[in-house]
Amino acid sequence: GAVVSQHPSRVICKSGTSVKIECRSLDFQATTMFWYRQFPKQSLMLMATSNEGSKATYEQGVEKDKFLINHASLTLSTLTVTSAHPEDSSFYICSAQPRAGVWGNMNTEAFFGQGTRLTVV
Amino acid sequence: SQQGEEDPQALSIQEGENATMNCSYKTSINNLQWYRQNSGRGLVHLILIRSNEREKHSGRLRVTLDTSKKSSSLLITASRAADTASYFCATDASNTGKLIFGQGTTLQVKP
Repeated sequence: GAVVSQHPSRVICKSGTSVKIECRSLDFQATTMFWYRQFPKQSLMLMATSNEGSKATYEQGVEKDKFLINHASLTLSTLTVTSAHPEDSSFYICSAQPRAGVWGNMNTEAFFGQGTRLTVV
Repeated sequence: SQQGEEDPQALSIQEGENATMNCSYKTSINNLQWYRQNSGRGLVHLILIRSNEREKHSGRLRVTLDTSKKSSSLLITASRAADTASYFCATDASNTGKLIFGQGTTLQVKP
């Protein structure tokens, strides 16, 4: 199956600093990637859709100026948490689906990165 | 995003018993996927069922889908202690990989 690599897996940062999380599709190209956030003992909430070569689409209630998304190539999307605060501490996870025609089947599973646990102190 | 509902929220069973989890969703879908998540870790894809399918099997897993009721169920047969985890359903309405997750069921299998 396809592989999505996310880095770092864990990060601790000071309040007020920014943190960048990378999501790479290793063996396929992805015009679209997705970023989710998961608070403890809760489900995954979609934050935004990362679109290669264009602006990300944010879900309602997600601040686009705080969570900067850059999808500069077909294999890399980055999420930067700017001016992080303790309430941003969470598990962030990305996913991607191969482009149409690559796998010959549109109705495929989404491939997830390993996730990043962010702790803001 | 509106999330689907899963029930039960928590389930505790003995090893060897079967575990059934249910998922309901709100919009029409292209496919529905089930994932497992061990505490504090990433997601493991279990099974994908397309909107034109009604039942699917994979090893000890059996998934059903009823699009008229907008619901799905995941059955784990002959459960093992290693099945202890949280289980999430997720729907893909646009066939782009954009998923809306259910609230999840926490399963504990006691040895």
